[in-house]
Amino acid sequence: AQTVTQSQPEMSVQEAETVTLSCTYDTSESNYYLFWYKQPPSRQMILVIRQEAYKQQNATENRFSVNFQKAAKSFSLKISDSQLGDTAMYFCAFMNLNTPLVFGKGTRLSVIA
Amino acid sequence: DAGVIQSPRHEVTEMGQEVTLRCKPISGHNSLFWYRQTMMRGLELLIYFNNNVPIDDSGMPEDRFSAKMPNASFSTLKIQPSEPRDSAVYFCASSLFGGHQPQHFGDGTRLSIL
Repeated sequence: AQTVTQSQPEMSVQEAETVTLSCTYDTSESNYYLFWYKQPPSRQMILVIRQEAYKQQNATENRFSVNFQKAAKSFSLKISDSQLGDTAMYFCAFMNLNTPLVFGKGTRLSVIA
Repeated sequence: DAGVIQSPRHEVTEMGQEVTLRCKPISGHNSLFWYRQTMMRGLELLIYFNNNVPIDDSGMPEDRFSAKMPNASFSTLKIQPSEPRDSAVYFCASSLFGGHQPQHFGDGTRLSIL
């Protein structure tokens, strides 16, 4: 079974600084998809960014980018120019073709003014 | 476009009562998922449907839990009888079936069983 590990339960970053959240996963599949979801205090689950395993290029969405290392099974999220609104729980998630998401336990990020 | 709609947003009830949570997926989505979120266990997949058919209910914790999807635009998650340990946030999510489509989540129902 696939597993997703987020080794940092909590992190903090100063406003305008850059922070990287770690995620590793375990799978024997070669074709899969990876996601980062954000859950602010309002508890909504918001898709931040996604990466297809067959793509070598790292995904980028504005201030959010990933470092996808397929051989190492690593999928970290980098947030640049951190803003107070980035304060949230961040969940890394893995999905095979035609199977549901498997989530990590989450990393609680606090952005400090 | 309307997102996934869940109701109620909050539910407080006494143990032993029946609880029904409701979900309307995004129009056109054909996969629907029910999750439970707690501090101790994180996000757990309870059950999911493809084209209104339950595919995997191995995450449903006990027979007290049941889920239905009578049509493409509506699903329910029922707990009967409810217990205090069922207190959690319950999320519904939907997606287009097939590989890379991300799931879109509703705002969740916070359930408190006294």
